[in-house]
Parts: sequence; C-alpha cells; structure tokens
Amino acid sequence: EPEVTQTPSHQVTQMGQEVILRCVPISNHLYFYWYRQILGQKVEFLVSFYNNEISEKSEIFDDQFSVERPDGSNFTLKIRSTKLEDSAMYFCASSEESSTNQPQHFGDGTRLSIL
Amino acid sequence: GENVEQHPSTLSVQEGDSAVIKCTYSDSASNYFPWYKQELGKRPQLIIDIRSNVGEKKDQRIAVTLNKTAKHFSLHITETQPEDSAVYFCAPYLNQAGTALIFGKGTTLSVSS
Repeated sequence: EPEVTQTPSHQVTQMGQEVILRCVPISNHLYFYWYRQILGQKVEFLVSFYNNEISEKSEIFDDQFSVERPDGSNFTLKIRSTKLEDSAMYFCASSEESSTNQPQHFGDGTRLSIL
Repeated sequence: GENVEQHPSTLSVQEGDSAVIKCTYSDSASNYFPWYKQELGKRPQLIIDIRSNVGEKKDQRIAVTLNKTAKHFSLHITETQPEDSAVYFCAPYLNQAGTALIFGKGTTLSVSS
C-alpha cells in the first residue's frame, strides 16, 4: 500500500535556526497538508496546498512558516527562527482530492526538538 | 468557530468488552466523518470513515454511526483486544474550515487482558 514518507524522523535544532521538514506524498495525490502535534495534545492543522499554492492555513501558520513543492515529488515545510514552542511532531498528509469528502493519509511524522 | 468535542477522554475496558467513543461537532454542513487511531509515537491511522449520506458503516469489529440531526458520530469497537489500546481521534471536516481536518482532543483506550 502506498504511503506518505517523511524525513528526517527526528530533527534537533538550536533555537533561532531554520529547519526544513520533507515529505513525499502518495504519488497520485494532488492535495498536501501539514499538521503538528505537541506532545500529549491533539493534532492541529497548519496548511493545505494544491496546484503549487496554499489553499488554506490556520492561525498557527504565520510568517515564520512556509511550504514549497520544489519538484514533482517533494513537499517541504520550512520553519524560520525556530522557538522552543515549535517543538512538536510534524505530520504531512495527502489526499486524492480536496473535496471535503476524501480521506487524508498521514506520514510517520518528524519529531522536531528545539533546544 | 470550529468546535469538535470528544468523549470520554479516557476509557478502560476488559478484553472482549465493547467500547464506544462519541464525537460532537458544530457545523451542520459537515459531510465527512473519519476516525483515526494513533499508537504511541506513530502516525494517525485512518481506521474508518463515514459520509453524510449514510447512518452507519461497519468494518469487522469497528463501526461508526452518524446522527446528523444531533451532530454527533460515534466509534464502536466490539470484542476489544489489547492491541486496540491507543488514542482515538475523531477528525471531521468542518465545512467552515474547508479542507482541514479538525481533530478532537482524543480518547485514550486501554484494553486489559
């Protein structure tokens, strides 16, 4: 069964540095998402992306964050000037269509630790 | 604003018992209602979903029921096994949120043998 893959599995970064989290969505999927999960809490939506542009973003997704699809397979989340509170699990997801009726499939996540 | 309430927050059952988790949402225009299972340190895994044109869906020991009038949907697990122990999240699309899944706070299910 095809899967969403994410790298790295764990990223440790000094506060103030920039990080890039990488995702390879399922190959025939057209819609991509980033979510985050602070330890012990619920999963929170960050951003959705389609046709090389952001479809929606949450209040969490401020100017510190950006997303990009640099080639035909990768989907990245960049976090600039990282803060301690950015420490969380970041999940990428993808779906075939964006109609509010289609399942989203999640990757294994990247655990981001800000020191 | 978006509102998804999930109950209970924790649930402990004996192996073989049934477990029911309820999710209440705010937007009457919602039309897709998934449940995710998350084991410790792992991804949320879609286990069952239902669309608004049906009231119940079953997949082996797992079922989901939907009451659109009351704006809630429930996960039912029968004949629970220790490997069912995990955190379960409801994550409906809320129409006002567009394409974002809005996760509940989760229910920690513990199945003891």
